[in-house]
Amino acid sequence: DAKTTQPPSMDCAEGRAANLPCNHSTISGNEYVYWYRQIHSQGPQYIIHGLKNNETNEMASLIITEDRKSSTLILPHATLRDTAVYYCIVRVAGAGGTSYGKLTFGQGTILTVHP
Amino acid sequence: DVKVTQSSRYLVKRTGEKVFLECVQDMDHENMFWYRQDPGLGLRLIYFSYDVKMKEKGDIPEGYSVSREKKERFSLILESASTNQTSMYLCASSSSGSSYNEQFFGPGTRLTVL
Repeated sequence: DAKTTQPPSMDCAEGRAANLPCNHSTISGNEYVYWYRQIHSQGPQYIIHGLKNNETNEMASLIITEDRKSSTLILPHATLRDTAVYYCIVRVAGAGGTSYGKLTFGQGTILTVHP
Repeated sequence: DVKVTQSSRYLVKRTGEKVFLECVQDMDHENMFWYRQDPGLGLRLIYFSYDVKMKEKGDIPEGYSVSREKKERFSLILESASTNQTSMYLCASSSSGSSYNEQFFGPGTRLTVL
């Protein structure tokens, strides 16, 4: 699975958009970009994933550059409850093969949302 | 609502004790995972299982074993607990039928070995 690079920490004001970058310059053509987050004292939670098109769901938007070497997770109106560690993970979709869907978590970005 | 539960939120054991961490999921998922999380090291995969009675080593299996006798339950066993196994342990599950690989995590068990 391709390696990802994220800034260790970011700040955001409540109500503003939080834009979390991720570099994955060695991504392969069949690898998806996944985002998870972990709120303090809880297990990680899936947010969104994408291959090459931009994606949006009720939690966030995912923008992937045309060359797919980087992406940005956007929380459009950050709230205090969005304070968490955000993980960008790149891997082949599905649970087939010997990996059976296992994920490799990096250090992530600590997002702090301020009042 | 999908759910992964872990037997304890907090556990304190003594060095040399045998420790069982239990994880149960109610989503009929084929795949189950055990991670540990330590400051500065992130989440690291210990073991995973893709079917009943099947298991695969993750990145850091040393000092651990697992058991999966029923589809919904995945146990992590520390045969002889040591202080360097003090950590947060997270269980997760996922469906083999899912094309996008979402893993559902439990709340975690914070284990302290004295």
